[in-house]
Amino acid sequence: EAQVTQNPRYLITVTGKKLTVTCSQNMNHEYMSWYRQDPGLGLRQIYYSMNVEVTDKGDVPEGYKVSRKEKRNFPLILESPSPNQTSLYFCASSFGPSYGRFQETQYFGPGTRLLVL
Amino acid sequence: QKEVEQDPGPLSVPEGAIVSLNCTYSNSAFQYFMWYRQYSRKGPELLMYTYSSGNKEDGRFTAQVDKSSKYISLFIRDSQPSDSATYLCAMIGDTGRRALTFGSGTRLQVQP
Repeated sequence: EAQVTQNPRYLITVTGKKLTVTCSQNMNHEYMSWYRQDPGLGLRQIYYSMNVEVTDKGDVPEGYKVSRKEKRNFPLILESPSPNQTSLYFCASSFGPSYGRFQETQYFGPGTRLLVL
Repeated sequence: QKEVEQDPGPLSVPEGAIVSLNCTYSNSAFQYFMWYRQYSRKGPELLMYTYSSGNKEDGRFTAQVDKSSKYISLFIRDSQPSDSATYLCAMIGDTGRRALTFGSGTRLQVQP
């Protein structure tokens, strides 16, 4: 089954304790990205990756890091989490530019709900 | 002012009603317009997309884009309780970055 998986689904942590949220897709997609969803603000892009070893900032990158060492994985790293990073996080993937034409469909993971105390 | 405005609802309708969901936007660079459906505790899933202005129909769903008015709509005919979800409009301007700009979502409840 084609899917995007995220782990963990729920996480409670304390300020300053480094954490990683994993994201994996099995569709051989080049493009992957991370969003956060907050009430009244919708989803906002944090970081994106066009391919292995190619990453760039989205709209709200402060306090986050990412890496793309393998095509299928795109972990989100919070080196020193703060309470304002309490949110619902989604990973998404789609085919990239090498597919030929723009691919409208982005597939979203099930979400990771993070609470930073 | 947000780039994309969407009434958060909630919108409650009886089963079988026609539902109209709308978004307005301010960035004229947006080219692709999408509607995502998000069930509780799930990720968004793409319902429909439209490139530039025009209409698109898929079963009970119709998407409309009016770029001159910067206004997009999603119509749901013969609404079902299973349509109860949050509907998010989304748009892309820079197809290289593929960053979706989302509305905040409208929560729809279809009463049996």
